[in-house]
Amino acid sequence: AQSVSQHNHHVILSEAASLELGCNYSYGGTVNLFWYVQYPGQHLQLLLKYFSGDPLVKGIKGFEAEFIKSKFSFNLRKPSVQWSDTAEYFCAVNTGMDTGRRALTFGSGTRLQVQP
Amino acid sequence: EPEVTQTPSHQVTQMGQEVILRCVPISNHLYFYWYRQILGQKVEFLVSFYNNEISEKSEIFDDQFSVERPDGSNFTLKIRSTKLEDSAMYFCASQTSGSLQETQYFGPGTRLLVL
Repeated sequence: AQSVSQHNHHVILSEAASLELGCNYSYGGTVNLFWYVQYPGQHLQLLLKYFSGDPLVKGIKGFEAEFIKSKFSFNLRKPSVQWSDTAEYFCAVNTGMDTGRRALTFGSGTRLQVQP
Repeated sequence: EPEVTQTPSHQVTQMGQEVILRCVPISNHLYFYWYRQILGQKVEFLVSFYNNEISEKSEIFDDQFSVERPDGSNFTLKIRSTKLEDSAMYFCASQTSGSLQETQYFGPGTRLLVL
């Protein structure tokens, strides 16, 4: 079964610092990739997604992610974080193109704390 | 913007009791999901539901669990006889048509505590 790893469990940055959160998955076939964000007290919201085409995808709020197939990675980036980016970030995968499964497999999440 | 809603936001129950968690998916969405997150662990898929039947379920979704869409708007998760290890945040999600390229929209969750 596929799995998703997010190696950074807790990241603390100052405002204006650059952000990169790692996401690796273990599945050799075709994947659909997602980053979700959960702001304090709110529900999971989609930041961005990748299905095919340009491996560099842009999402909301200035976030982007790059799919590197050879590395099984889908890292999330933002050039300059703001205090309002404080949240928990989840990487997720589905393998439905191969398996027909729609279920998302999530990573363990990265808690980002941005200090003013 | 339409949102998935869930009730209650918190529920405390005694071990062995039945609980029903309720979700109102976004209207015109046809695929529905339940996920859960035990404290400190990953969000895990439980079940998906389409056209009034389960389309996919995980090994977690055993005979203690059931889902239904009783009235065309609500989507419920029932746990027949709760166990301590059922304590978790339960998330409902919905999706327009089940296309693999579509976003799953999540609700705010119900925090279930089994004592």
